[in-house]
Amino acid sequence: NAGVMQNPRHLVRRRGQEARLRCSPMKGHSHVYWYRQLPEEGLKFMVYLQKENIIDESGMPKERFSAEFPKEGPSILRIQQVVRGDSAAYFCASSGLAGNTGELFFGEGSRLTVL
Amino acid sequence: KNQVEQSPQSLIILEGKNCTLQCNYTVSPFSNLRWYKQDTGRGPVSLTIMTFSENTKSNGRYTATLDADTKQSSLHITASQLSDSASYICVVKNNAGNMLTFGGGTRLMVKP
Repeated sequence: NAGVMQNPRHLVRRRGQEARLRCSPMKGHSHVYWYRQLPEEGLKFMVYLQKENIIDESGMPKERFSAEFPKEGPSILRIQQVVRGDSAAYFCASSGLAGNTGELFFGEGSRLTVL
Repeated sequence: KNQVEQSPQSLIILEGKNCTLQCNYTVSPFSNLRWYKQDTGRGPVSLTIMTFSENTKSNGRYTATLDADTKQSSLHITASQLSDSASYICVVKNNAGNMLTFGGGTRLMVKP
């Protein structure tokens, strides 16, 4: 039973390009969470999604960032026109229960470097 | 405002020694508290969960305590090993909206 799978593990982009990070939750999990971790800092909540729905996006920057979790396929975190400040590790977590009720299982993260 | 403060920010100990990490929170109403271990370059992994009625819970060499009155938790590591070197993150969940609040973590380094 594979855990939460994130790809790519490492991504390098130049300023102004787009970054797409993918997350496949654990089998049977329909709740996905995205977190951002800046170097030497803690995890910061970005967005909580269920299949085809955004439940809570209170941690998402208002511009350039978007997330989706389609009926089929992985969840995608998309960052348009990346800037150096977007350089961070982006972690995805999944849960089998709604609303943070169950344990969160984290992926290994995607590390974005913006040149 | 819901906050979770962890101390110390970083800690260096010798292999075989014990250590205690602290977590103070202002999250209310309280639902549960989890301790996660995050190895460098990896995702966090849950060590233990504490609910309101639990005072102490052990997972191998890790023992977590919770004082819901003072809103404090600790994670005690016994007979530390080199593989204990990691960040330890305290995460508190509230009952209103089921929001999670993450602490900044304690970075532990165990030296031989």
